[in-house]
Amino acid sequence: DTGVSQNPRHKITKRGQNVTFRCDPISEHNRLYWYRQTLGQGPEFLTYFQNEAQLEKSRLLSDRFSAERPKGSFSTLEIQRTEQGDSAMYLCASSLSTTAYEQYFGPGTRLTVT
Amino acid sequence: QKEVEQNSGPLSVPEGAIASLNCTYSDRGSQSFFWYRQYSGKSPELIMFIYSNGDKEDGRFTAQLNKASQYVSLLIRDSQPSDSATYLCAVPTSGGSYIPTFGRGTSLIVHP
Repeated sequence: DTGVSQNPRHKITKRGQNVTFRCDPISEHNRLYWYRQTLGQGPEFLTYFQNEAQLEKSRLLSDRFSAERPKGSFSTLEIQRTEQGDSAMYLCASSLSTTAYEQYFGPGTRLTVT
Repeated sequence: QKEVEQNSGPLSVPEGAIASLNCTYSDRGSQSFFWYRQYSGKSPELIMFIYSNGDKEDGRFTAQLNKASQYVSLLIRDSQPSDSATYLCAVPTSGGSYIPTFGRGTSLIVHP
């Protein structure tokens, strides 16, 4: 399978714990994006990378959120001190910079904070 | 801040009919738009990217841009039950990064 993969697919955590999600993009894609989606809403942009450089972060992204893409391949999204409001589907997408309008989404990681 | 608005629906159409999904946008300067399809429990997939120069057709899908009234439509001809999904309209943010700002989506139900 050469699509975008995300792990884990589901995560249940207690409020205050830290969680980390991983995204593996399509292998030749140099852009990687993170979104968050809650029920009944469209995805909200969080941040994106071109190669290993984090080029843009949404104002929605609080200081508790951090993302990395150390070697320009996979990326991790960490949420520190989780809150119940962080419960959502976290989606990763990737694209080529030359066709950036064509993003391919992974299956998502569903986070539940209890 | 570029925004789009969609009626959440559901829009219910019979099999074989034309489904018409609409999206209004706030920034008169917006020139390109996305339409994504999202099946229940799945991630979004791009079905159409339209730029400002008129309608765009791809198979049973046609996207229409009405700049005067600031709305963009997606028409699905010969609707099938497999088209039942949420359709998300989005507009790229400024700066050329093509990052979509999504609407909340319209739920489409195609009944046999």
